[in-house]
Amino acid sequence: SQQGEEDPQALSIQEGENATMNCSYKTSINNLQWYRQNSGRGLVHLILIRSNEREKHSGRLRVTLDTSKKSSSLLITASRAADTASYFCATALMDSNYQLIWGAGTKLIIKP
Amino acid sequence: EAQVTQNPRYLITVTGKKLTVTCSQNMNHEYMSWYRQDPGLGLRQIYYSMNVEVTDKGDVPEGYKVSRKEKRNFPLILESPSPNQTSLYFCASSLAGGSSYEQYFGPGTRLTVT
Repeated sequence: SQQGEEDPQALSIQEGENATMNCSYKTSINNLQWYRQNSGRGLVHLILIRSNEREKHSGRLRVTLDTSKKSSSLLITASRAADTASYFCATALMDSNYQLIWGAGTKLIIKP
Repeated sequence: EAQVTQNPRYLITVTGKKLTVTCSQNMNHEYMSWYRQDPGLGLRQIYYSMNVEVTDKGDVPEGYKVSRKEKRNFPLILESPSPNQTSLYFCASSLAGGSSYEQYFGPGTRLTVT
């Protein structure tokens, strides 16, 4: 079952610009997590935001969560070539302590 | 260095030939999980384990087996691989309760079944 859907599927911007990716989900969640995947490699955890939180920051990353709209956004400010990767959101459902449901990802390309 | 390791990284095999993909973590994590990643489908969970000798099915368990005899190891077994199991496989671990904590991923195993 695919609960999280990222938007857009692909995004290409110039280095230095900000990149925004969105994630929508269908059912109530415990938390939402964002991960980064460089081409064909393992995923790396970026941020976990709990359902009672609205915003979290980590360096150049800002994540927001709107539970009324069942959506989250990931903002990368002042993008760099090294930010080129795929970004995935994963939702932890309220009725499941053990599973994360993953979206198909946003492919981000930073042009030098 | 805290890490999740998988072996092999690449594997080409033929239909029906049993294979095992190993996964090991050195972080004393209780929770371990196997995923497969296919284009356009994101990650789908195959099996997970809450602790030693405790395993359960994920979303796509058919055709796979797992075991958790030791806390650090969680091998994935394909008893009779088929071409539709061609995929990129990831092992992951977390401190406890898979969805409440960040997951640490291995580097992936790219499997091709001909």
